[in-house]
Amino acid sequence: ETGVTQTPRHLVMGMTNKKSLKCEQHLGHNAMYWYKQSAKKPLELMFVYNFKEQTENNSVPSRFSPECPNSSHLFLHLHTLQPEDSALYLCASSQDNAVAANYGYTFGSGTRLTVV
Amino acid sequence: GEDVEQSLFLSVREGDSSVINCTYTDSSSTYLYWYKQEPGAGLQLLTYIFSNMDMKQDQRLTVLLNKKDKHLSLRIADTQTGDSAIYFCAESPPSGGYNKLIFGAGTRLAVHP
Repeated sequence: ETGVTQTPRHLVMGMTNKKSLKCEQHLGHNAMYWYKQSAKKPLELMFVYNFKEQTENNSVPSRFSPECPNSSHLFLHLHTLQPEDSALYLCASSQDNAVAANYGYTFGSGTRLTVV
Repeated sequence: GEDVEQSLFLSVREGDSSVINCTYTDSSSTYLYWYKQEPGAGLQLLTYIFSNMDMKQDQRLTVLLNKKDKHLSLRIADTQTGDSAIYFCAESPPSGGYNKLIFGAGTRLAVHP
């Protein structure tokens, strides 16, 4: 375990379902991120939360809705997804200041999402 | 634009050196990173280099940075089967006070006997 825990590890959902992905860190980090990993494509940064405030939304469709209730927890709410949304969704956290920048991010193991 | 590019696949023989190359776009990136992803796992930080350095060595790993060409490479000496994984290059462009990383697509390293 890296200190960033994602649940569930695998999720299969229909296009009309609503589900949520959960990410939790107890590393004392103040920034959290959602990335989408698709085969042969760069990791896509979806959302950034810094001190619980959303600081970036990279033109993500509204069928993905993030929530950050506190600096330790991050959710990604999913509804009416498309088959092309099938991917590995990775959560990461970091201590967000210049001194700690060399530590990069700590990633969770991801949730493998399949939309049928 | 923000685009980190890597070749998708590299195959090497066990015991040989591996060299994974990356080009990035933002010359103001403070740090450049290499991450490793093993099957079924998230990304783990392997090593990083500060932008005012041109080389960093860490045991079997050597990172070379050519700022003029915006080229980053990772050399793994004496490659082992346990090094088989996907290797991601990442840059860190300044972005409003937080540490934003832009990743490439990853290079899948296959090590064969």
